[in-house]
Amino acid sequence: GQSLEQPSEVTAVEGAIVQINCTYQTSGFYGLSWYQQHDGGAPTFLSYNALDGLEETGRFSSFLSRSDSYGYLLLQELQMKDSASYFCAVRDLPGNQFYFGTGTSLTVIP
Amino acid sequence: EPEVTQTPSHQVTQMGQEVILRCVPISNHLYFYWYRQILGQKVEFLVSFYNNEISEKSEIFDDQFSVERPDGSNFTLKIRSTKLEDSAMYFCASSEGTGEQFFGPGTRLTVL
Repeated sequence: GQSLEQPSEVTAVEGAIVQINCTYQTSGFYGLSWYQQHDGGAPTFLSYNALDGLEETGRFSSFLSRSDSYGYLLLQELQMKDSASYFCAVRDLPGNQFYFGTGTSLTVIP
Repeated sequence: EPEVTQTPSHQVTQMGQEVILRCVPISNHLYFYWYRQILGQKVEFLVSFYNNEISEKSEIFDDQFSVERPDGSNFTLKIRSTKLEDSAMYFCASSEGTGEQFFGPGTRLTVL
């Protein structure tokens, strides 16, 4: 089976930095992706790690440690529009399918 | 910018009826997917489709579900005999086989 755990809710102040953690137990693993989803909207891709280490994309960074089955998404210079749900997702084969985590609801406050 | 499209945006059906959800993936993508999301819950993988056949499916994707790529552009999900618990948002996605997937806007299915 597939199990990906994330904190259910996080609150942070505008302009601050927030880290959203993801721990996973999956039968296969080829990488970890992060998606953002606003209420009523579709998931949109943020970042992907296939190898250990940090990937940086603008205000968003993602980290992976395969030996610890752990990753995190780092959001810097938080803006009100960053209020959304964030999902980690493990990539697996043969279908290049993704198994999503439980999701973290981020609320950015002034 | 190319995007995944889905129709209809909302489908209401009676329990036991068949529904077909439609998707047009991004044209040069090779992998196609269906996911579902029950309100307030996580996104759940249903099926992936590559080279005109199912490449992986989850436990949720039982005999009442089927997928088809009837022509060069459309990708459909059929639910043969809908149940109340099938009520959810259904997302289609496509990818080039990398770590990035592109999701459509979803079809909200309501089973009464």
